[in-house]
Amino acid sequence: AQKVTQAQTEISVVEKEDVTLDCVYETRDTTYYLFWYKQPPSGELVFLIRRNSFDEQNEISGRYSWNFQKSTSSFNFTITASQVVDSAVYFCALSENSGNTPLVFGKGTRLSVIA
Amino acid sequence: NAGVTQTPKFQVLKTGQSMTLQCAQDMNHEYMSWYRQDPGMGLRLIHYSVGAGITDQGEVPNGYNVSRSTTEDFPLRLLSAAPSQTSVYFCASSQLGPGELFFGEGSRLTVL
Repeated sequence: AQKVTQAQTEISVVEKEDVTLDCVYETRDTTYYLFWYKQPPSGELVFLIRRNSFDEQNEISGRYSWNFQKSTSSFNFTITASQVVDSAVYFCALSENSGNTPLVFGKGTRLSVIA
Repeated sequence: NAGVTQTPKFQVLKTGQSMTLQCAQDMNHEYMSWYRQDPGMGLRLIHYSVGAGITDQGEVPNGYNVSRSTTEDFPLRLLSAAPSQTSVYFCASSQLGPGELFFGEGSRLTVL
């Protein structure tokens, strides 16, 4: 059965610090997809990234970067030079069976960036 | 661009009442789903559908019914509301295999 663990419940950093949000997943499939979503205080859920299990290249998008390591079943998310606007709850999610099963979400990490 | 539209955004019910949360999408997505979000629990899947006429249960289906008569609509019915169903409900849709999951704005339900 698929499972996503986000061990960090809450993280607090000072603006401009770098922060890494951890995500560990469990699956027996060889073809699966991993996701990150952001939920700002306004409550909507915003898609950040999708990564398939065959692509282990790290991804960078501006201040955001993702490190996918199949050897440790992890898909960690790093925010460089954090800003107050990064304050949100971040969810990691997994979809097995080549992405044809519903997304299973971790419990989320609440990030607070303090000015 | 309407995307995924949920109504109502807020609702207060008394225990035992029934209601329907509406969800509509205009992106011609095959896949639609309902999640509930509770503090410290993340998003948990209630029901999902991979096309009109096809529905299946998720992790927490008890107390909820769904149907999918059209591609666009996926209503969630609470048959007899209980305080344990107090939550924020999100409807989502995507292309199959797997597309980006688009979420509605959420519906906050309180059951007294």
